[in-house]
Amino acid sequence: KAGVTQTPRYLIKTRGQQVTLSCSPISGHRSVSWYQQTPGQGLQFLFEYFSETQRNKGNFPGRFSGRQFSNSRSEMNVSTLELGDSALYLCASSFQGTPYYNEQFFGPGTRLTVL
Amino acid sequence: DQQVKQNSPSLSVQEGRISILNCDYTNSMFDYFLWYKKYPAEGPTFLISISSIKDKNEDGRFTVFLNKSAKHLSLHIVPSQPGDSAVYFCAASGETSGSRLTFGEGTQLTVNP
Repeated sequence: KAGVTQTPRYLIKTRGQQVTLSCSPISGHRSVSWYQQTPGQGLQFLFEYFSETQRNKGNFPGRFSGRQFSNSRSEMNVSTLELGDSALYLCASSFQGTPYYNEQFFGPGTRLTVL
Repeated sequence: DQQVKQNSPSLSVQEGRISILNCDYTNSMFDYFLWYKKYPAEGPTFLISISSIKDKNEDGRFTVFLNKSAKHLSLHIVPSQPGDSAVYFCAASGETSGSRLTFGEGTQLTVNP
């Protein structure tokens, strides 16, 4: 079974631009979560989508948004990029029986650099 | 407010010996815990999990112990191998946090040949 895939793997943007990241979950997985990893803040939860609906949200500003399609693929968008948005963005998928008693499987991440 | 803490940023052990990685949590609503391993430039890889109804879960060389009263869990790797060298994260979730995983800061494990 193929793992979680994320595209692109690397991105360089400038301040003020917007960016869209894509994630394809493991086949059959219906939940997709997004995390941001930075050296200072560690791994932080952004949001989770399940059946095309945002089911859970972390403490990030409204510039960070996402969506999920009917095939469970998900996209994450960051508008008006700031230098502090430079990070590794990780996507994780899970099968989702109960909402939280599930292992989440991570993709390789998208490394975003904001100049 | 760091709800999940890994107080040791690094740990070095000899090949063949036991590696013990520790994790503490403060949120009593957490009842499901996971360990992930991460290599540079890769996403975290799931290792093992444990729910609060258990105090031990074993999978091959990996064993996780949970002490609910102390709000402490540990990951034991026996025997340690050089390929185990990576950053290890513990993570927690619970019914009130839903799918959100709260991660510790990570511990860099180095296994020396």
